[in-house]
Amino acid sequence: DTEVTQTPKHLVMGMTNKKSLKCEQHMGHRAMYWYKQKAKKPPELMFVYSYEKLSINESVPSRFSPECPNSSLLNLHLHALQPEDSALYLCASSPGQGSSGNTIYFGEGSWLTVV
Amino acid sequence: AQSVTQPDIHITVSEGASLELRCNYSYGATPYLFWYVQSPGQGLQLLLKYFSGDTLVQGIKGFEAEFKRSQSSFNLRKPSVHWSDAAEYFCAVSTRLNYGGSQGNLIFGKGTKLSVKP
Repeated sequence: DTEVTQTPKHLVMGMTNKKSLKCEQHMGHRAMYWYKQKAKKPPELMFVYSYEKLSINESVPSRFSPECPNSSLLNLHLHALQPEDSALYLCASSPGQGSSGNTIYFGEGSWLTVV
Repeated sequence: AQSVTQPDIHITVSEGASLELRCNYSYGATPYLFWYVQSPGQGLQLLLKYFSGDTLVQGIKGFEAEFKRSQSSFNLRKPSVHWSDAAEYFCAVSTRLNYGGSQGNLIFGKGTKLSVKP
């Protein structure tokens, strides 16, 4: 079972709100990712967690704050976002070890609209 | 620098016809190659991957892809397209983010949108 679960599926928030996106996987994967996807574009990497430690931040603005409470969970905290941050946010995971360590599995995404 | 090129932005095929989606990559080492499919409003689903070995790889939903090192290509094929195959298809190459680490970022092509005529 290669399943990454994301909640909520849709989120509308004002520019002064604080909200969070949540992601969960129970495949024992040790790497988890946040990607951002704008319409008609491929996904763009935001953050990578490896063994629950932040290993990559692709120069993402501080209004996006990731958190990895344990090896199965990944959150993305949102604060003071701009309308241009409206996008599909994809969580993903990969085994992080072994011959298939690089295989990345995506969730269904959370559609974010900033008003 | 690593890159992936999908030359076709939009392809339309008739239902039941064969399909080939093109993908070319630029990568200095042995690539890890992937095809993902994204239906409207959905996340990305892994169709198939190539790491090593047999250059013809089979995936889900009747798709296959062939790795050709001499042409730096990894084209996706399906012998008979179904209406449910209409979607966006992304080719991607994996890079190693950290030396010795096995988590890899994905370099995506711009995608090919597949439309299926009845």
